[in-house]
Amino acid sequence: GAGVSQSPRYKVTKRGQDVALRCDPISGHVSLYWYRQALGQGPEFLTYFNYEAQQDKSGLPNDRFSAERPEGSISTLTIQRTEQRDSAMYRCASSLTTRAEAFFGQGTRLTVV
Amino acid sequence: DAKTTQPPSMDCAEGRAANLPCNHSTISGNEYVYWYRQIHSQGPQYIIHGLKNNETNEMASLIITEDRKSSTLILPHATLRDTAVYYCIVRANDYKLSFGAGTTVTVRA
Repeated sequence: GAGVSQSPRYKVTKRGQDVALRCDPISGHVSLYWYRQALGQGPEFLTYFNYEAQQDKSGLPNDRFSAERPEGSISTLTIQRTEQRDSAMYRCASSLTTRAEAFFGQGTRLTVV
Repeated sequence: DAKTTQPPSMDCAEGRAANLPCNHSTISGNEYVYWYRQIHSQGPQYIIHGLKNNETNEMASLIITEDRKSSTLILPHATLRDTAVYYCIVRANDYKLSFGAGTTVTVRA
């Protein structure tokens, strides 16, 4: 596609439910990143993939958060047993290589009620 | 990555140049200065980056001081569509972007 595509754009879920957020990066981009952004703050790094390998997951808040990119393209960020504090905008980005400029998607707005 | 300091907000007049300062006094030799911006609720957008030489592209110019402890992003002719949060980021040769609070720039007609 022309840009990084994320789905769904909006997700409302009840506390305790699991959610899966999808990211479709720009075709051919090797590097993929997940960030989380609270209202009024800058994006906060969560995790990074190089091809299908998860190279860094140091930003994942706890073990309820996980991410995968099994074929080195589409990625899924999964949050298990959601809590209200998980409510935020989740943004995916991709870049051609590790050091190239990153292109961000429109994000998924997650609301846990 | 080195920490950056930016003013929280600034206004500028439409059609005039906007000069956005950034301090990064602890920058090390292999760290680049990157600028991104975020318009309303959209995803961050890359603007420009540099190591020690001044850089210019179709969006902006980046002026880095000789000691590399500070830099200025210049939007040559600000338009209303340039209203956004601008992030100055210092980044080594790795993958991670560490966003701070940025500068909220409001362009006024």
